Amino acid sequence: DAGVTQSPTHLIKTRGQHVTLRCSPISGHKSVSWYQQVLGQGPQFIFQYYEKEERGRGNFPDRFSARQFPNYSSELNVNALLLGDSALYLCASSFQSNQPQHFGDGTRLSIL
Amino acid sequence: RKEVEQDPGPFNVPEGATVAFNCTYSNSASQSFFWYRQDCRKEPKLLMSVYSSGNEDGRFTAQLNRASQYISLLIRDSKLSDSATYLCVVTLLTDSWGKLQFGAGTQVVVTP
Repeated sequence: DAGVTQSPTHLIKTRGQHVTLRCSPISGHKSVSWYQQVLGQGPQFIFQYYEKEERGRGNFPDRFSARQFPNYSSELNVNALLLGDSALYLCASSFQSNQPQHFGDGTRLSIL
Repeated sequence: RKEVEQDPGPFNVPEGATVAFNCTYSNSASQSFFWYRQDCRKEPKLLMSVYSSGNEDGRFTAQLNRASQYISLLIRDSKLSDSATYLCVVTLLTDSWGKLQFGAGTQVVVTP
């Protein structure tokens, strides 16, 4: 079975641009969470979506937004990109609350 | 104060030796605990969940001490392939269950 898939794998943008990152969860998983990992740090929680509704939001500015589609895939959007948004963006999926999350390979975003 | 704190290491371990390290968490409402491993520039992968009674998975043993608010990971008979960053993860009862709180990771380097 396919794991969590994310696209693109790498992306280079310039300051002020916007970006859309995509995630497909493991088949049957209804929860998708997004994390940002900067170099040398652990992943930081951005959003969680379950059954197409936002269920949790981390301490990120309104430039960050997300949504989940009927097929449970998800998009993370970031507007007005800043240099500090350069990071590995990770998507994780799980079936339900008592199940561990499984991560995709991530999208490595570089802002020039 | 960070929610989850780890000694960044690196822990340099001879092949075949035993290494152990801890992670402390600040919120007594923490309810679930995990160890993930992350290889350089890769996604975090679940190593094991941590249960109140302690649990073992092959060469890996995890312990939870709720009174002192720390979890530990012990690796026996270290292999070169155990070289990685080990991320301590907790979830809070008060948070959405999709929100994982990560430590910054402990780097382990197993040497021949």
